[in-house]
Amino acid sequence: GQNIDQPTEMTATEGAIVQINCTYQTSGFNGLFWYQQHAGEAPTFLSYNVLDGLEEKGRFSSFLSRSKGYSYLLLKELQMKDSASYLCAVSETGGSYIPTFGRGTSLIVHP
Amino acid sequence: GAGVSQSPSNKVTEKGKDVELRCDPISGHTALYWYRQSLGQGLEFLIYFQGNSAPDKSGLPSDRFSAERTGGSVSTLTIQRTQQEDSAVYLCASSLALPGTGNGAGELFFGEGSRLTVL
Repeated sequence: GQNIDQPTEMTATEGAIVQINCTYQTSGFNGLFWYQQHAGEAPTFLSYNVLDGLEEKGRFSSFLSRSKGYSYLLLKELQMKDSASYLCAVSETGGSYIPTFGRGTSLIVHP
Repeated sequence: GAGVSQSPSNKVTEKGKDVELRCDPISGHTALYWYRQSLGQGLEFLIYFQGNSAPDKSGLPSDRFSAERTGGSVSTLTIQRTQQEDSAVYLCASSLALPGTGNGAGELFFGEGSRLTVL
């Protein structure tokens, strides 16, 4: 099974850059997801990494190192609307590939 | 609608009562998941359906919980003899495929959830 760890809460300033880390332990890695969840709303998909390296998508980028069991989500040019919870989820082989979620990182963006 | 639909959006019930939560996935999505999210906690996997295969029930916390998926589409999660610790938001999600199975990322599309409060 997985052990997914991410910080509980982070704060940042509008216009700045923030990096949200996620570490995991798994016996058979099959991909890592990042989701965004605004308070009271459904999680929405942000990114998927299965190979090492950086995936860039607009203001958001996601990085993966399989050998280190490590990923980060990088948010640039922060906006107030980026205040949300960011969920890291890992899919594992050897079973039914169902994503397991971390507890999420609550990001607060202030002016 | 185009997204995952869940009902009811809110349910308040008394301890010991049974509840049913419904999920209508995106048309064409063969995979359907139920998770629950308690305050301050991550998403906890409950059960997974894929096509006509037997469901993966490994996440159900007790035998009071059950789910079915009729006709490969709508799913119902049933909680019998509810307890206060069952209070949570129950999220349903669907996807085209499982992650890493060659059909894209297999990202999950979530519904808005059903907030269950057991008094």
